[in-house]
Amino acid sequence: GEDVEQSLFLSVREGDSSVINCTYTDSSSTYLYWYKQEPGAGLQLLTYIFSNMDMKQDQRLTVLLNKKDKHLSLRIADTQTGDSAIYFCADGTGRRALTFGSGTRLQVQP
Amino acid sequence: ETGVTQSPTHLIKTRGQQVTLRCSSQSGHNTVSWYQQALGQGPQFIFQYYREEENGRGNFPPRFSGLQFPNYSSELNVNALELDDSALYLCASSPTRKRGSDTEAFFGQGTRLTVV
Repeated sequence: GEDVEQSLFLSVREGDSSVINCTYTDSSSTYLYWYKQEPGAGLQLLTYIFSNMDMKQDQRLTVLLNKKDKHLSLRIADTQTGDSAIYFCADGTGRRALTFGSGTRLQVQP
Repeated sequence: ETGVTQSPTHLIKTRGQQVTLRCSSQSGHNTVSWYQQALGQGPQFIFQYYREEENGRGNFPPRFSGLQFPNYSSELNVNALELDDSALYLCASSPTRKRGSDTEAFFGQGTRLTVV
């Protein structure tokens, strides 16, 4: 079946860039998403990229997609303490469900 | 704010009981999906409704059932609750779509269910 993998934890200093990585297995993926979850909260859609794109930039967020390697990354420029949260990569395959990774906990140190 | 609201926010039930969770979709969204998020895990797809019909189901037993109403609000029902059903239940709504195609999914804040 489909699988989405993420590293569990990332720690950065305030002002640095953060890069969160994700790999997926389904080659028929059409959209790939990044969601943010703060403690005790639901999921906030940050951005998404269509599978025929290599890169998408949205203010401080840059998404890179390497479809050959099935690798997705989210770069957050000038990381702030308010960016501390769990980040989920999700794979939409043209079917009905999103497949989520286990999440990467981003800790931003002042 | 996503415009997707869920109720209640927290719930405690006893093993063997039944529970109903509710979701109000964002205006104009005719597709709703339900996910279960266990502690420390990513969300797992339960099922999806499109125009009041079930439109796909994940690996969950039949005691997980749902409804979507004409106003596109939705319910998740779980019968014969088990301890492992303790989780955050998330509802996600998506805008008008062609059947089977991807689009953005906007999530509510979730209902935290604890089964004791």
